[in-house]
Amino acid sequence: GESVGLHLPTLSVQEGDNSIINCAYSNSASDYFIWYKQESGKGPQFIIDIRSNMDKRQGQRVTVLLNKTVKHLSLQIAATQPGDSAVYFCAENTNNDMRFGAGTRLTVKP
Amino acid sequence: NAGVTQTPKFRVLKTGQSMTLLCAQDMNHEYMYWYRQDPGMGLRLIHYSVGEGTTAKGEVPDGYNVSRLKKQNFLLGLESAAPSQTSVYFCATKTSTDTQYFGPGTRLTVL
Repeated sequence: GESVGLHLPTLSVQEGDNSIINCAYSNSASDYFIWYKQESGKGPQFIIDIRSNMDKRQGQRVTVLLNKTVKHLSLQIAATQPGDSAVYFCAENTNNDMRFGAGTRLTVKP
Repeated sequence: NAGVTQTPKFRVLKTGQSMTLLCAQDMNHEYMYWYRQDPGMGLRLIHYSVGEGTTAKGEVPDGYNVSRLKKQNFLLGLESAAPSQTSVYFCATKTSTDTQYFGPGTRLTVL
């Protein structure tokens, strides 16, 4: 069946480095994608989104890239800070059906 | 503007007990959702509502019921709790642009 997944369950980076978190999706009909950040004991927090008619979108220190050819989504965090440590989820939307990946845990080393 | 709130934050139940989780939003969003989150798994949709008075089943609806009597509230009920329902429950609302905003979660343990 269709699924949303992440390539790596954990990612450790040095403070100040850039982070890249990847996500694979398999439903070619998905038209909307979101990245969420979830800190321990809290609900998922919206970071950035992108629609299928775009391949790149930038926010504050974050960039989302969408490659529809290989069904791949990535989140880039520039100058990673300790406060970025969290679990990051990708989600895909198809006809109001939102499916979430299991998450990648990002740890930022000082 | 509180956004999305959930009550209670924590609850411990015995098998067979019932309870209701309340989700409230002050953003006037039409869509509301109930998810459960289990270790190593993504959020799974239990039930959702596209507007006041309407509800629909999601991916894992068995053992749960919902009601949306008022636009701002979405209730999730467990009639007879089972240990398999131990989880963290998140409510979410959706804007017209499809972005979902989540509440802080309810951690439920069923013994």
